[in-house]
Amino acid sequence: DIQMTQSPSSVSASVGDRVTITCRASQGISTWLAWYQQKPGKAPKLLIYAASSLQSGVPSRFSGSGSGTDFTLTISSLQPEDFATYFCQQANSFPLTFGGGTKVEIK
Amino acid sequence: EVQLVESGGGLGQPGGSLRLSCAASGFTFSSNLMSWVRQAPGKGLEWVSAISGSGVSTFYADSVKGRFTISRDNSKNTLYLQINSLRAEDTALYYCANVKGEGYFDYWGQGTLVTVSS
Repeated sequence: DIQMTQSPSSVSASVGDRVTITCRASQGISTWLAWYQQKPGKAPKLLIYAASSLQSGVPSRFSGSGSGTDFTLTISSLQPEDFATYFCQQANSFPLTFGGGTKVEIK
Repeated sequence: EVQLVESGGGLGQPGGSLRLSCAASGFTFSSNLMSWVRQAPGKGLEWVSAISGSGVSTFYADSVKGRFTISRDNSKNTLYLQINSLRAEDTALYYCANVKGEGYFDYWGQGTLVTVSS
């Protein structure tokens, strides 16, 4: 199985900050990677797929990059509604696997 | 508008069974790979199972293989998850999700809570 490791597990940031979250796969997954945002009590929301493609309706301040084993989610200017937990997920092969999550908290 | 509505969760006893359902609307259900993803209280996301649009191909996480069965009724636009031999570690919120492309979850239901306890 492909293991997904996210870092950091939490980050404190202020509105307007640039935030970067990383995800590392235990083996190469090309660009078969997604990022999700989850707010308390809500279902996850797809932000980025295929490593860098923005899902319809997602603000352009979210961007993704990377290929192979190392990936990054960047929020260019953090907004109040962005405080949430973010998960990466590999879609290279079954079983599909998620990273452990990164909680973005208010500084 | 795409809607996924799960039902069937509740309190189950260890060793018991539950059947979850997910009613889908707003898209061509029979064309899409569908999946179940679960989240234990306060924990991360765990993919559980997936099924092809035709229902011919099914996929399972090792943690549920042999105990869970995914199925679908395309005439009713409904996805199912039969959970047998319940364990305490199956306690989680179970989400139904539409699969975009090869394996991305673009639409999610609100989840149905399964609690395993004697």
